[in-house]
Amino acid sequence: DARVTQTPRDKVTEMGQEVTMRCQPILGHNTVFWYRQTMMQGLELLAYFRNRAPLDDSGMPKDRFSAEMPDATLATLKIQPSEPRDSAVYFCASGLGQRTDTQYFGPGTRLTVL
Amino acid sequence: TQLLEQSPQFLSIQEGENLTVYCNSSSVFSSLQWYRQEPGEGPVLLVTVVTGGEVKKLKRLTFQFGDARKDSSLHITAAQPGDTGLYLCAGKYNNDMRFGAGTRLTVKP
Repeated sequence: DARVTQTPRDKVTEMGQEVTMRCQPILGHNTVFWYRQTMMQGLELLAYFRNRAPLDDSGMPKDRFSAEMPDATLATLKIQPSEPRDSAVYFCASGLGQRTDTQYFGPGTRLTVL
Repeated sequence: TQLLEQSPQFLSIQEGENLTVYCNSSSVFSSLQWYRQEPGEGPVLLVTVVTGGEVKKLKRLTFQFGDARKDSSLHITAAQPGDTGLYLCAGKYNNDMRFGAGTRLTVKP
């Protein structure tokens, strides 16, 4: 049963600390998405990769957020420095082919910045 | 402002009742998806509708895409506690998928 995995599941940190979230997409999927979910804003797209190349990161605050795919089995989302307003659940999703095809979501990382 | 407006935002009903939730927009979508998200998990795709007026059934769930492809509805018959979750619609728009904020459904036994 192929699934997207994310680590850590929960992260509590203090303002100013660096946070790194990791995602392993489903083997063979060539698109990876990072989303942030809050009660107020719902699901917001932060970044989109296809074949490991970043195609869209317009939803991401550039000054503190960065997203990379060091290889086809690992995607990372880093926040440095973190701020309380970054508290949210961060989801990774992967898919086959196009940006608008079905996305398979991971279980999320719940981030709390104190 | 959300491109896709979902209503109601919250819905709490008793087991056995029927319900309908809505996903509306002023924009036209080439396709629309419904996802269900359970607490502590990521959204899971339920259905994709692509043709205006299309109706799809998934057991007790009936999905309809509006004729003009601007809106969709999800009807659940005889709701069960296992239907509890956040229901999200997502529309294909300008080569992008846009999500609504969701309807949070609670079905009480």
